[in-house]
Amino acid sequence: GAGVSQSPSNKVTEKGKDVELRCDPISGHTALYWYRQRLGQGLEFLIYFQGNSAPDKSGLPSDRFSAERTGESVSTLTIQRTQQEDSAVYLCASSGSGLANEQFFGPGTRLTVL
Amino acid sequence: AQSVTQLDSQVPVFEEAPVELRCNYSSSVSVYLFWYVQYPNQGLQLLLKYLSGSTLVESINGFEAEFNKSQTSFHLRKPSVHISDTAEYFCAVSGIGSYIPTFGRGTSLIVHP
Repeated sequence: GAGVSQSPSNKVTEKGKDVELRCDPISGHTALYWYRQRLGQGLEFLIYFQGNSAPDKSGLPSDRFSAERTGESVSTLTIQRTQQEDSAVYLCASSGSGLANEQFFGPGTRLTVL
Repeated sequence: AQSVTQLDSQVPVFEEAPVELRCNYSSSVSVYLFWYVQYPNQGLQLLLKYLSGSTLVESINGFEAEFNKSQTSFHLRKPSVHISDTAEYFCAVSGIGSYIPTFGRGTSLIVHP
């Protein structure tokens, strides 16, 4: 595709349920990032992939959060036993492998936990 | 570690007026600096960046930012704004050698006719 895509665009779930958020990066981009954006706040870094490995997952807020990437392409962010404080927009970005490369962002997934 | 402070959460201006969106950062190492823009209902996109060289960098749509090392600032300016500049603007900093940028909270630029 032409850009980074994310699905679903909106997800409403009940507290305690598990959710999966998907990111399709730009083809050929080796770096992939997940961020969380709470209302009125900046982007909070969650995890970074280089290829299929995650050298930095320091931003994952708890062990309920996990992410994987396969085929140096699609990534899935999974939140188990969702809580109301997980409600936010989850953004995915991809870039080339060099330092200070431009990040290309997807439109985000808006997660609402009731 | 780095941190970014965007001092204004909202900046309302009238069309054709000049605007400055402020960004200050802190870092123990040399940095790369970025401004991203998020138009309504769209994803973030890079507006401009400073890596090295000239401290004044420009975007294709008339914005410019100046890296001031002594003041640890990277303020974004435009001499005359348009309605279409209404958007959320994010400043970001990345330590040289780091792949992970730190983003500010964002500044909402609201341009009134």
